[in-house]
Amino acid sequence: AQSVAQPEDQVNVAEGNPLTVKCTYSVSGNPYLFWYVQYPNRGLQFLLKYITGDNLVKGSYGFEAEFNKSQTSFHLKKPSALVSDSALYFCAVRTNTGGFKTIFGAGTRLFVKA
Amino acid sequence: DTGVSQDPRHKITKRGQNVTFRCDPISEHNRLYWYRQTLGQGPEFLTYFQNEAQLEKSRLLSDRFSAERPKGSFSTLEIQRTEQGDSAMYLCASSLDLAGGGETQYFGPGTRLLVL
Repeated sequence: AQSVAQPEDQVNVAEGNPLTVKCTYSVSGNPYLFWYVQYPNRGLQFLLKYITGDNLVKGSYGFEAEFNKSQTSFHLKKPSALVSDSALYFCAVRTNTGGFKTIFGAGTRLFVKA
Repeated sequence: DTGVSQDPRHKITKRGQNVTFRCDPISEHNRLYWYRQTLGQGPEFLTYFQNEAQLEKSRLLSDRFSAERPKGSFSTLEIQRTEQGDSAMYLCASSLDLAGGGETQYFGPGTRLLVL
């Protein structure tokens, strides 16, 4: 069965410092991996995805993520955090063998302190 | 704005009443998804349409839930005989299929349901 784990409920970082939000997954078949961000009382906004090819994926607002097949991870990173990055971040996985059902992690709340 | 829209944004109802939510996807998207999100959790898949055909339903979708997508455009999600446990945010997403399933889903703002 597909699953996604976001091991940290909350990540705190100072503005200007690099940030990492962790995600690990378990799937059968090749994974398609996604990161979304959610602001209060809003829907999810797409940040980036890994489908195939280069393991380092660049996305919106300066975010990037690295696909690591051996560690089954897809951590979200940003070199320099902004206060406005404070939000709820979700990792999601889908496979090419599991229909079109997408499994989301429980989310990680990011706090960026000025 | 050509994003996914949902109506209403908020709904308060009494236990036992029926409610219906509407989702208008991005116009050229042929796939439409419904998710439920409760506080502190990620979205949980409910059901999915390819054009007008409902192709997959989660076990979370009890008999009280029904979804339609007539003519492959907008979709409705109806909950009959609502229960307090149905209180949640209901999210709709749409996508344009790519071979292999790697397409991006774009989400609407959600409908927040509160069952009293």
